[in-house]
Amino acid sequence: QQQVKQSPQSLIVQKGGISIINCAYENTAFDYFPWYQQFPGKGPALLIAIRPDVSEKKEGRFTISFNKSAKQFSLHIMDSQPGDSATYFCAGGRTDKLIFGTGTRLQVFP
Amino acid sequence: GAGVSQTPSNKVTEKGKYVELRCDPISGHTALYWYRQSLGQGPEFLIYFQGTGAADDSGLPNDRFFAVRPEGSVSTLKIQRTERGDSAVYLCASSLGATAYEQYFGPGTRLTVT
Repeated sequence: QQQVKQSPQSLIVQKGGISIINCAYENTAFDYFPWYQQFPGKGPALLIAIRPDVSEKKEGRFTISFNKSAKQFSLHIMDSQPGDSATYFCAGGRTDKLIFGTGTRLQVFP
Repeated sequence: GAGVSQTPSNKVTEKGKYVELRCDPISGHTALYWYRQSLGQGPEFLIYFQGTGAADDSGLPNDRFFAVRPEGSVSTLKIQRTERGDSAVYLCASSLGATAYEQYFGPGTRLTVT
């Protein structure tokens, strides 16, 4: 009931390409779904988040697509850049706690 | 505006010793969270404070772990009789309050138990 499953574990994308990371959750009580970006040796940084009352949210090159009936959501990074190379974590939860996926290591090559 | 700060950044201790890890949340944030991140994994929830009280401590792995937030700002995570399996990065996050969703993380404390 508490798991958030994330795939792929790692992703290699050419500069300018689209990076897509997928997550699935089990707990229907979750009402907040953020994505975090983490660089080595740093804490996770909030990238973009969505509530389940909308199906898509876009901020710059980053878009979350949300499918409530399938209990799935995904992160799309358009025009991927070498500076986007990091580990990305999806999460689900409420105001009291977040349950995180296992992470996707993204490498963007020039 | 300073972000969440955590001290120390690194802590090496011997098995069986006691350690304290400190978190300074963003000014004005009343909610504070502790997570633990093992190598190659996502952060794992430990405890959530709203003000001075622990609203949810369901993630603490056992009674060797304890956290306090006596004045509703700074929090200390305390680990007694450390074990090698406690080695991880301990992350602190804060948010504006009980109805706020956005959690902002600090840089973490890397704990190594030898």
